[in-house]
Amino acid sequence: GEDVEQSLFLSVREGDSSVINCTYTDSSSTYLYWYKQEPGAGLQLLTYIFSNMDMKQDQRLTVLLNKKDKHLSLRIADTQTGDSAIYFCAEALRGYQKVTFGIGTKLQVIP
Amino acid sequence: NAGVTQTPKFRVLKTGQSMTLLCAQDMNHEYMYWYRQDPGMGLRLIHYSVGEGTTAKGEVPDGYNVSRLKKQNFLLGLESAAPSQTSVYFCASRRTGYLSEAFFGQGTRLTVV
Repeated sequence: GEDVEQSLFLSVREGDSSVINCTYTDSSSTYLYWYKQEPGAGLQLLTYIFSNMDMKQDQRLTVLLNKKDKHLSLRIADTQTGDSAIYFCAEALRGYQKVTFGIGTKLQVIP
Repeated sequence: NAGVTQTPKFRVLKTGQSMTLLCAQDMNHEYMYWYRQDPGMGLRLIHYSVGEGTTAKGEVPDGYNVSRLKKQNFLLGLESAAPSQTSVYFCASRRTGYLSEAFFGQGTRLTVV
């Protein structure tokens, strides 16, 4: 299967940590990605993780991968109002030609 | 450094009219994609291309046609627009390889009345 699932909405207070979750069903996925979409714009790559890794940290971002449960999460430390956006997880399938996206999680940061 | 450029940015069509959305990329990418984004549905792949002269169907290809006559351009056509095609359309491109970032255009907001 090629389904990527995410919750629709998350609200956090400025300065708190945000955790956005994603589940995928294709066990052959090798790379998993997080993209960010700001209002009125296209998507931009935030970070990625290779399937043989459990965790990847990049400044305020931490990606956790549980391959057994096919669960991916993105943690944003010290969330800022500028982090308000829609976050998509994605996987590259079929020889990496196609990229399948989840429905996106809208993160609202309350000042 | 333009990246991925979509034209037009906005368009209103009447039911039954036709139009073509243009996507142009200047990064010499092999792969190009057309997605539509609808509330609660996320991004759904319409068609994609893995090289000049090739196209393939995505998840939701019905009612759309595409062409990739030149490597840098990927055209999305609606032959007879329907209200169900009201959406925001995004084009993206990537180079070959599994760890390649998809670069997106700014989107085209299409309304079919």
